[in-house]
Order: sequence, then C-alpha cells, then structure tokens
Amino acid sequence: AQRVTQPEKLLSVFKGAPVELKCNYSYSGSPELFWYVQYSRQRLQLLLRHISRESIKGFTADLNKGETSFHLKKPFAQEEDSAMYYCAPPSGSARQLTFGSGTQLTVLP
Amino acid sequence: EAGVAQSPRYKIIEKRQSVAFWCNPISGHATLYWYQQILGQGPKLLIQFQNNGVVDDSQLPKDRFSAERLKGVDSTLKIQPAKLEDSAVYLCASSLNVAGDEQYFGPGTRLTVT
Repeated sequence: AQRVTQPEKLLSVFKGAPVELKCNYSYSGSPELFWYVQYSRQRLQLLLRHISRESIKGFTADLNKGETSFHLKKPFAQEEDSAMYYCAPPSGSARQLTFGSGTQLTVLP
Repeated sequence: EAGVAQSPRYKIIEKRQSVAFWCNPISGHATLYWYQQILGQGPKLLIQFQNNGVVDDSQLPKDRFSAERLKGVDSTLKIQPAKLEDSAVYLCASSLNVAGDEQYFGPGTRLTVT
C-alpha cells in the first residue's frame, strides 16, 4: 500500500520568506502526484498536479523519483497562503489517492 | 457550476445508533468518492464508485458501513451500528472520470458519536 509522509504537522514562516512543504511517498508508477489545499472555512481543493508542471499561486512542486519526494515550494510566502496542505500520490489500479496527514502552514505578517 | 452537495452538515448520535449521509456530485461526473477524515489525519478513501459500480471498497469496514450509488448519480453512506471511533468528517468528492482527474470535494459531514 502507498505510504505518504508529511513530516511537519505545523510550519510557520514570515511573509516574504521562502517556504517548502515536504512530502515523501513509498512508490509511484505514475507522474500524477497532487497537492491539495484547504483554506480556513473552505472545501478541500486541488492546488496543483505534477503532470501539468504548472505553477499555481506561485507554488511549484518538484518530483524526485530517486528520493520519492514531491516537495511543495514557494519563493515568497504570502499571508493568504496560510492553510492546510495535503500531499496525495496515487496508488492502486484505479490510481486512488492516498492523502498525507497534512501540514498546517501559517504565514506570519 | 454547482459544487458537490452533502447533507447533513453535522450529526450527533449515540453509539450503536445508525446514521446516513447523502451526497450529490457535480453533474456529469462519473466517479464518486467517500472519504473519512479523523481529526489530525488526512482523508482516507472508504469507497470509490464509477457510475453506479464499485471500483474500490477495500478500506470500507463492511461489517458496519455500506454505500450505494443508485442510478449513478446521488450516493448514500450508512453506518450501522456506529462506534465511538467513527467520529470524523465524512467527505464526498466527485471527478469527471477516474485516473488523474481533479477531485471536487463537498463541505463534509461532521459526525460525533457519543
């Protein structure tokens, strides 16, 4: 079974500082890794997926197959980035998502 | 477009009682998911439907949980009888198809079992 590790439950950075949210997974036969985000009082929603290789809200995610990591990065954090972030690699024949336990990011003014 | 709808939003029951949750996915979405999210953890997939067929229910505790998606649209998730450890947020999500598609989540139902 797929195992997902997000080692930081809580992460605080100051506005304008770089931020990196770590994600390690046990295996992937697919490049379709995802990051989902939940802002306060909002629904869980897709932030970005690796296969599209796009930057969303200034965030990018680097897939390192050798280290089986998919860390989320942003060079300059903003207060509105404060949210809970979940890494979700797929597994299984139907590529079901396995969510990590999440990292609560707080961007301080 | 309208998002995924769930009801009720909150439910408090005593252990050994029964409870049912309802989900209406986004129109045209073939795949529907039910997740259980226990406090402090990420969502865990309970069951995945493709139209009205089950794709994966390997993590569904079938002795007490059941789910159906009649006519391939709305879905209900039932717990009978409930245990204290079932206290969680139950999330419904839908996607256009299956592999690699963005999942759209509902607001969730917060269940408290006392």
